[in-house]
Amino acid sequence: NAGVTQTPKFRVLKTGQSMTLLCAQDMNHEYMYWYRQDPGMGLRLIHYSVGEGTTAKGEVPDGYNVSRLKKQNFLLGLESAAPSQTSVYFCASSYRRSRGDNEQFFGPGTRLTVL
Amino acid sequence: AQKVTQAQTEISVVEKEDVTLDCVYETRDTTYYLFWYKQPPSGELVFLIRRNSFDEQNEISGRYSWNFQKSTSSFNFTITASQVVDSAVYFCALNKGGTGGFKTIFGAGTRLFVKA
Repeated sequence: NAGVTQTPKFRVLKTGQSMTLLCAQDMNHEYMYWYRQDPGMGLRLIHYSVGEGTTAKGEVPDGYNVSRLKKQNFLLGLESAAPSQTSVYFCASSYRRSRGDNEQFFGPGTRLTVL
Repeated sequence: AQKVTQAQTEISVVEKEDVTLDCVYETRDTTYYLFWYKQPPSGELVFLIRRNSFDEQNEISGRYSWNFQKSTSSFNFTITASQVVDSAVYFCALNKGGTGGFKTIFGAGTRLFVKA
């Protein structure tokens, strides 16, 4: 099993450019998440999905869009990149558990720099 | 509102020292889950442990141990006889209980340096 994979690993964009980050998981997880990690701020949830075809906003959704057309894939889009979006982006997935005790499985991250 | 505070930004120790990483949480829920994750230099976060709000028993796994105290809203993590491979960023995290509990609140993380 590959677990959670992310592409690309690194990317440099110019302000105003667009891009899509791809996340794939092979664990048949229902839930998927996109986070950004910034120094001193831990991980902040951008968007999440509780199932195929369903997405919702997290803590810091502005400037990002997502899609979950297939259960195993979760795409994060930046329509018009800004320097404030320079960050490390992590995708994660988890099982659906009614108790809320689901740990998350993380991808290796994408380091994005916006100039 | 839920919150997780890791007041220690960075800790530096010499190999074989014991080190404790502090975690303080805030929640109004009676059912919740606490987690620790490790982020080694390679970048990928790895799940270490989960604890539910009704189980205050301490847990030990090899050199790792966790102390959960509801009275002080703390879930501290101790590494005994630290090793260079323990160098990483450690995150404490909180889920609320129930079907809405899949959204995890992370602390800011504590970066641990273990010097040989």
